[in-house]
Amino acid sequence: QKEVEQDPGPLSVPEGAIVSLNCTYSNSAFQYFMWYRQYSRKGPELLMYTYSSGNKEDGRFTAQVDKSSKYISLFIRDSQPSDSATYLCAMQKTGANNLFFGTGTRLTVIP
Amino acid sequence: EAQVTQNPRYLITVTGKKLTVTCSQNMNHEYMSWYRQDPGLGLRQIYYSMNVEVTDKGDVPEGYKVSRKEKRNFPLILESPSPNQTSLYFCASAREGWADTQYFGPGTRLTVL
Repeated sequence: QKEVEQDPGPLSVPEGAIVSLNCTYSNSAFQYFMWYRQYSRKGPELLMYTYSSGNKEDGRFTAQVDKSSKYISLFIRDSQPSDSATYLCAMQKTGANNLFFGTGTRLTVIP
Repeated sequence: EAQVTQNPRYLITVTGKKLTVTCSQNMNHEYMSWYRQDPGLGLRQIYYSMNVEVTDKGDVPEGYKVSRKEKRNFPLILESPSPNQTSLYFCASAREGWADTQYFGPGTRLTVL
């Protein structure tokens, strides 16, 4: 079993929709949670970072961590065609220096 | 301009022929890392470095070597490439850790025949 699981999609939504992207993990030692966005033929770029449980909001993006369920989410409000990309979750364990990524979810926002 | 550069961007080689992919960053970052990205497997960390002369294995280090002799450079070495190392490789750097903003290079697409 992979340490980090992510539904690969693809996910297609109309412009303006609310998008929910999710990852689950199996090891409770994960404490640092990140979401990256990767456009086609580009390297990933960091979108959001959260530590431990709770919510974090940045503009149209909200990251949510539920440690009791070992589940993290990224919500995109008022989705735009420019949000079309692959979204990857990433996690780091306390006291460790390596990083684990999900497989990525490909999102297409249709104008 | 702050950036991570990788060379070459594309490489086709044959099994067993040693190769090096270079990575350089101009942001004076402490942390550097190599990843490979494969369909269905996502991004996996190969090796990382937290400072000059400090390197450690990531999730999939077998068949790879790295060195960090200077802060700005972090080359990835494949001593004897095999077809299962055909992949898209990314180098990345971060100021103080992976929870910090991690800057990725443009990627190197490697094909091993």
